[in-house]
Amino acid sequence: EAGVAQSPRYKIIEKRQSVAFWCNPISGHATLYWYQQILGQGPKLLIQFQNNGVVDDSQLPKDRFSAERLKGVDSTLKIQPAKLEDSAVYLCASSLDLEKGGTQYFGPGTRLTVL
Amino acid sequence: AQSVTQLDSQVPVFEEAPVELRCNYSSSVSVYLFWYVQYPNQGLQLLLKYLSGSTLVKGINGFEAEFNKSQTSFHLRKPSVHISDTAEYFCAVSDPRFSGGYNKLIFGAGTRLAVHP
Repeated sequence: EAGVAQSPRYKIIEKRQSVAFWCNPISGHATLYWYQQILGQGPKLLIQFQNNGVVDDSQLPKDRFSAERLKGVDSTLKIQPAKLEDSAVYLCASSLDLEKGGTQYFGPGTRLTVL
Repeated sequence: AQSVTQLDSQVPVFEEAPVELRCNYSSSVSVYLFWYVQYPNQGLQLLLKYLSGSTLVKGINGFEAEFNKSQTSFHLRKPSVHISDTAEYFCAVSDPRFSGGYNKLIFGAGTRLAVHP
């Protein structure tokens, strides 16, 4: 079974530029998560989708971050414009559904460096 | 709000020695608890989880964890570590009361386990 796919794996941009990350979850998984992992910290949930609807985006900086999952499968996370403090690894995860305590499966992440 | 404290940022240990990675969480109410492992340049992989029932949970790769409600702890243990266990370990909590049970994970800052020959 293929795992969660993410691209690109690495991205370097200048501050104030825009960037987009792509995620393809495990086939059949209805729930998709985007996490931000700053160096030395644990992952922090940015946004959570159930199919193509948002169920939690309370920690997403909506003035610069946006995310979509239009067809309920793959997803894109965008930052516009980027700031230095956005340098982090962006992890995508998926789970079968919203079952309480359900296992989340993580992709390899995209490492973003903002100069 | 829930929070997770991993008491050790780094744990060095020799190969074949036992190890314990400590985790405490903030809430005294019933929660779900998880341990994930992250190898270099890889995503997180679930080691084990506690949802209910027996307080001793066994996971993959010989790891186990014990849930202690009175001490709000969920420490991870392995009786004999290998070089290949060198990785970052994250404890996480999910509050099933939260937002209808949307499975939101709150992670600790991580513990870097370094196994030396």
